[in-house]
Amino acid sequence: DTEVTQTPKHLVMGMTNKKSLKCEQHMGHRAMYWYKQKAKKPPELMFVYSYEKLSINESVPSRFSPECPNSSLLNLHLHALQPEDSALYLCASALGVGEKLFFGSGTQLSVL
Amino acid sequence: AQSVTQLGSHVSVSEGALVLLRCNYSSSVPPYLFWYVQYPNQGLQLLLKYTTGATLVKGINGFEAEFKKSETSFHLTKPSAHMSDAAEYFCAVSPSGSARQLTFGSGTQLTVLP
Repeated sequence: DTEVTQTPKHLVMGMTNKKSLKCEQHMGHRAMYWYKQKAKKPPELMFVYSYEKLSINESVPSRFSPECPNSSLLNLHLHALQPEDSALYLCASALGVGEKLFFGSGTQLSVL
Repeated sequence: AQSVTQLGSHVSVSEGALVLLRCNYSSSVPPYLFWYVQYPNQGLQLLLKYTTGATLVKGINGFEAEFKKSETSFHLTKPSAHMSDAAEYFCAVSPSGSARQLTFGSGTQLTVLP
């Protein structure tokens, strides 16, 4: 299994909603990442988990809350988002922090 | 500090023609350089990477790139374009090879004309 699986593929939410994005991999990777990608722009790093511990938070607003419950699973909890948070959210994993990144297909998020 | 400049946000080529996507970088240390491809509604996929050693790097799908230190360039080429190559291409640089320090260029949208 060489896939990073992200669910849901599409999500529409209101500014008062609470939702979660899920990312799963079964490649034994110990580094997992969340990226945000606006249309026609490169991905921007949000969070890095290494061995299930948060190692990087790139000054992301607290309305985004990551969670890594185990080595295969990464969640991104969303609360009180703004319309400007609408974007493609990509998860990636790697064997270690310096290794090749494997990306999921992303969750396309629309905040109304 | 590091940065990446991709010349041309849109490139169009005819099917069968040469593909050339340009990337220039700046880095205060010897860089690790990457090319990623993103198909519509997909995540990014690594095409190739340069770390050290041979300056001509071969990647997947017939793509290759040449590291030219004197020109601070890492241009991506493919001898003959295929319709399936239509996608967004991102050049990226990292001072250590770590994804934590990966800086992406702004991307080049490749269109392949029949």
